[in-house]
Parts: sequence; C-alpha cells; structure tokens
Amino acid sequence: EVQLVESGGGLVQPGGSLRLSCTPSGFTFRDYWMSWVRQAPGKGLEWVANMNVDGSEKYYVDSVKGRFTISRDNAKNSLYLQMNSLRGEDTAVYYCARDSAVATYYGVDVWGQGTTVTVAS
Amino acid sequence: QSVLTQPPSVSGAPGQRVTISCTGGTSNFGAGYFAQWYQHVPGTAPRLLIMGNTNRPSGVPDRFSGSKSGTSASLAITGLQAEDEADYYCLSYDSSLSGYVFGTGTKVTV
Repeated sequence: EVQLVESGGGLVQPGGSLRLSCTPSGFTFRDYWMSWVRQAPGKGLEWVANMNVDGSEKYYVDSVKGRFTISRDNAKNSLYLQMNSLRGEDTAVYYCARDSAVATYYGVDVWGQGTTVTVAS
Repeated sequence: QSVLTQPPSVSGAPGQRVTISCTGGTSNFGAGYFAQWYQHVPGTAPRLLIMGNTNRPSGVPDRFSGSKSGTSASLAITGLQAEDEADYYCLSYDSSLSGYVFGTGTKVTV
C-alpha cells in the first residue's frame, strides 16, 4: 500500500523554527518528485513547495521563499521541510504529497494524513 | 488570493447532478496546463479524483468526471450521494508563479 506519514509538527513561537519529516512506503521514493501542501484553519489548500528526484530543482510559493527549505534524503527514504522565521500565518496542517509520475504537471496523487503546526506565543 | 476561482458552495439532492467550475487564466489553463480535482473531508487526507483534465485514477467512481475548455475547468458529480459531501479543489500549474496553485475550494452539500 502506498503511504506517506508526516511527523515533526507542534507548537512554536513566532520567529522560531521547525523541521517536518515525511516517511514514504509502498513505492520507490527516489523516482518521484515530492511536494508539501498546507491548509490553514478555515482556509483552503495551498501548495507550498516541491522538488525533483535528486534535489537539484526546488520550487516554492512566494510566501515561504527564503524561510522554508524542502529537502530529501533518498538513502534514508525521507522528505523534509525546514521552516524558519515562522509567522502566525504559517499555522496550518502540513501535508506531504507525491507528485504524479503519469505526466508532467499532473499535480499530486498521494497524500499523507498531515501534521499540525501552530505558531503562537 | 488564488488565481483559480471556484464557487464557495454548491448543493444538490441525492441522485442529482452538480457541477463545480474552476476559472483560471492565460498562465495556467489557458497556457495548456492540466486541471486536477481533489475531494477533501476535513480531518482526512485529500483524495485525487481527476488528473490531466479528464482522467480518473483507478478506484474513483465514474460518477465523477472532469472537463476543460479555454481558461476554465469543471468537475461534474452525477448521482449525488451523501458520502460526496466534502470540499472540492481544483489544481493547476501556473507559469507566472512557477509552481502549482489550488482553487479557492467548493463545499458540496447533499
């Protein structure tokens, strides 16, 4: 069964840092682009970042550029999201997602259950 | 503020057909990028319904269908069922943003 499990969420003060992790199973992780998507309380889904199979290409939504870093370790079968200079508006459920390999620009096709990040003092 | 606009809500009786529109522009649908559709029940993982404008992944009932024309895309749900009550989102790549963008989301009430 294809599965993604996020971890690392929690409560952090404004200006603080947090690193999210995603552990995939049931597919060959190193063959897929991967994304992070978030949903703030009462808001819709927002694509945050994605990266290619070897980490040489990374893309971000404007609101997190310079603060968040997506990375992966194919040897450890893990995806990460390093979040620095956190703000209240970063409070959200963060989902790890697998980019579709059916074709380019086919979005994401598998999602994790999400991990909650709360930025508050 | 998303560049993909959806109606906030649609509703229908069991068995009826509803459609959800997703209006984009020249840097996403109008540039030839594909529409994807997701069903999201709060507190659970979103589920892919449609990819590549019209294609259903295995396991998705054929009650769900997608289409795209010009700068807009649509999701149709026929034979509406109580279990279809959820939030629905479109997704496309946007060349001006150099990334993916979700629609504003539509709550379907049965």
